[in-house]
Amino acid sequence: QQQVKQSPQSLIVQKGGISIINCAYENTAFDYFPWYQQFPGKGPALLIAIRPDVSEKKEGRFTISFNKSAKQFSLHIMDSQPGDSATYFCAASATAWTSGSRLTFGEGTQLTVNP
Amino acid sequence: EAGVAQSPRYKIIEKRQSVAFWCNPISGHATLYWYQQILGQGPKLLIQFQNNGVVDDSQLPKDRFSAERLKGVDSTLKIQPAKLEDSAVYLCASSKGPAFPYNEQFFGPGTRLTVL
Repeated sequence: QQQVKQSPQSLIVQKGGISIINCAYENTAFDYFPWYQQFPGKGPALLIAIRPDVSEKKEGRFTISFNKSAKQFSLHIMDSQPGDSATYFCAASATAWTSGSRLTFGEGTQLTVNP
Repeated sequence: EAGVAQSPRYKIIEKRQSVAFWCNPISGHATLYWYQQILGQGPKLLIQFQNNGVVDDSQLPKDRFSAERLKGVDSTLKIQPAKLEDSAVYLCASSKGPAFPYNEQFFGPGTRLTVL
């Protein structure tokens, strides 16, 4: 019930195209859904995050779409650029002040944007 | 502001040896996390501290792994004795607090451990 399933495992898009990565979760207690970007040799960096009270959040070229009833959320990268080539992780957590708030990560998507 | 600092960046040891990793979180961040990231997988939480107290160590292999956060600032993660399957990147992260809106986790660069 703690799993977050991510797809696809790898994705190749052309410069200027749209990259779409999908995640699904089972634990209905999850209430915070961030996406992280990780470059080789670096730690993950927060890209964008959403809470279940909204269905979509946009920041620049990055958009999260959230479907609470289906327990799914996705990341859309518009106008993909070669500099976006990285590994993307979705994650989820059940935040609380008095107990652990671990992030449960998906398996990652290796995105390659060809020039 | 300075990010999360970790050292060493790389470590190679023989199996059954011991190793320790150090983390200095972002100043003022009360919550500190240690994650294990095996190659090709997402990070998995090992232990979470709130100030200097442990709030979640349910996924920490306690027979060989230990961690402490003295004075609620720096933290050390130790493995003793190491096994081949411990080869991974060990990531430290910190956040202002455990719950929204303070729960954004900032990650350090990690320590890449190779056990031979």
